[in-house]
Amino acid sequence: DTGVSQDPRHKITKRGQNVTFRCDPISEHNRLYWYRQTLGQGPEFLTYFQNEAQLEKSRLLSDRFSAERPKGSFSTLEIQRTEQGDSAMYLCASSFGQGALNEQFFGPGTRLTVL
Amino acid sequence: AQSVTQLDSHVSVSEGTPVLLRCNYSSSYSPSLFWYVQHPNKGLQLLLKYTSAATLVKGINGFEAEFKKSETSFHLTKPSAHMSDAAEYFCVVTTNRDDKIIFGKGTRLHILP
Repeated sequence: DTGVSQDPRHKITKRGQNVTFRCDPISEHNRLYWYRQTLGQGPEFLTYFQNEAQLEKSRLLSDRFSAERPKGSFSTLEIQRTEQGDSAMYLCASSFGQGALNEQFFGPGTRLTVL
Repeated sequence: AQSVTQLDSHVSVSEGTPVLLRCNYSSSYSPSLFWYVQHPNKGLQLLLKYTSAATLVKGINGFEAEFKKSETSFHLTKPSAHMSDAAEYFCVVTTNRDDKIIFGKGTRLHILP
């Protein structure tokens, strides 16, 4: 399967713990996006990378959140000191090209539950 | 700044009847508009997109949408619903000025047998 993959698919953690999610984009895609989706809502943009450069961060991305894409391939999203409000589906998407007008290919998501 | 409003959170239609999912947008610049579909336990998939070319856009699975600037709308339609169309549909707006991508809250489409 050459689509976007995310790991893990599900994560249950206790409040205050740190978690890290991984996204592997489609191999030739230079853009990688992270979104958060809560129940009954559409995906909310968190951040994106153009190759290894992080070009935009939403105000939703508090200082407890950090994302990296060290070699312009896979990306990680870390949440430190998790809170119950962080419970959501975290989606990764990738695309090829320079702008936001290109089709994004989404992964299946990582569902985070913070107890 | 841009925003997108999906006017119905749930739509139910009978199999074989037309589908209409409504989307209105607001944008300071010329928008690009997309419809994505999310089937249960599957990733979001692009149905179609408008990027300032033809205002009537045809997508996959028989869906189409028409960009109407005067009405700031981009409604999604399909002439005849199929059971496999049951899913969540998202309208998305962006521009090539700031790369901000805004999703609507989604419309859940139910198909009645």
